[in-house]
Amino acid sequence: GAVVSQHPSWVICKSGTSVKIECRSLDFQATTMFWYRQFPKQSLMLMATSNEGSKATYEQGVEKDKFLINHASLTLSTLTVTSAHPEDSSFYICSARDRKSLEQYFGPGTRLTVT
Amino acid sequence: GNSVTQMEGPVTLSEEAFLTINCTYTATGYPSLFWYVQYPGEGLQLLLKATKADDKGSNKGFEATYRKETTSFHLEKGSVQVSDSAVYFCAPYGNQFYFGTGTSLTVIP
Repeated sequence: GAVVSQHPSWVICKSGTSVKIECRSLDFQATTMFWYRQFPKQSLMLMATSNEGSKATYEQGVEKDKFLINHASLTLSTLTVTSAHPEDSSFYICSARDRKSLEQYFGPGTRLTVT
Repeated sequence: GNSVTQMEGPVTLSEEAFLTINCTYTATGYPSLFWYVQYPGEGLQLLLKATKADDKGSNKGFEATYRKETTSFHLEKGSVQVSDSAVYFCAPYGNQFYFGTGTSLTVIP
């Protein structure tokens, strides 16, 4: 079946540093990938939608200069949290839409802790 | 706007018990409706879906019926197993997914 991987699965960083999270579709091509954020015991909230080769579309209230998204290939999208602060600590989940079936598959998530 | 209200957990059941997890939604138009399951340490997996009113989605013994009149998509299973222990998310899809808060289910032998 279709698999989406994320790396790293968890990361701890110091306040003020930047951290990059990778999302890969392993056995299918994805022209569209999505980034979600999940706080404990809360819903997944869509942060942004990225399309291969073009700029990401951010949801209202999401700072595009803080959460940099790059979708450079049909199998890879990256989310970089710049100048991270403790309030950025969260669970980040990516999702990829199969360009053929249009089904959307989710990654296992990355837990970010900013100290 | 679109939103979804999902039964809060955690839910603890004995093996072979009947499961219901309630989900109601508000949406513009008629969204497709999904249930996703997240097992410990894994990503979200599609459990079942329904794309129009009165459709019933089913998979692995789970069922949910698209009820337009009550804007609901309740998840049911007649006899749960220990392996069903996971977090379940209700998610209407219009132009994007809207997720419920998730319901944690623990099934004890």
